[in-house]
Amino acid sequence: NAGVTQTPKFRILKIGQSMTLQCAQDMNHNYMYWYRQDPGMGLKLIYYSVGAGITDKGEVPNGYNVSRSTTEDFPLRLELAAPSQTSVYFCASSWGLADYNEQFFGPGTRLTVL
Amino acid sequence: QKEVEQNSGPLSVPEGAIASLNCTYSDRGSQSFFWYRQYSGKSPELIMSIYSNGDKEDGRFTAQLNKASQYVSLLIRDSQPSDSATYLCAVLQISPGAGSYQLTFGKGTKLSVIP
Repeated sequence: NAGVTQTPKFRILKIGQSMTLQCAQDMNHNYMYWYRQDPGMGLKLIYYSVGAGITDKGEVPNGYNVSRSTTEDFPLRLELAAPSQTSVYFCASSWGLADYNEQFFGPGTRLTVL
Repeated sequence: QKEVEQNSGPLSVPEGAIASLNCTYSDRGSQSFFWYRQYSGKSPELIMSIYSNGDKEDGRFTAQLNKASQYVSLLIRDSQPSDSATYLCAVLQISPGAGSYQLTFGKGTKLSVIP
């Protein structure tokens, strides 16, 4: 099993550009998450999904959008990139939401907005 | 604002010693508690989860939870240089009826194990 995979690993964007961060998992997990991590900080939840077609906002959703058309994939869309979105983005998945919420993380995407 | 507080460190311990990492949280309704290890430049990796008061042991790791004091800790026995990393405490609050899910991470404690 590959676990949770993310692409790209690195990306530099110009202000105002848009991009999609890809995330896929092969563990048949219903629950998937997107986090951002700024230097020296903990992770902040951007969006999460409890299954195909169902997504909800986390703590810091502004400037981002998500979709979940399949169990495996959970892409994160950045529209009109801003310097404040410079961060490392992690995708994660888990078996459960309340119980069994042990999360498996992807390797991350390091994004710089200039 | 739900908060999870950790001492940022760095916490330095000699090889073979016990490392003690602490975490406090503000929401009494928190249900589940996790410790993640994160090496520099890498993604977080789950070390321990704990759901009820008391101790939970897994190899060299012991998680301790005290809900009355809103306190969770991680003990690492026989610390090794390979344990040098940042340890993130995470606390889960969920209200299924309200569709509310929140996993709050602390900023992490950097542990350095000195050979």
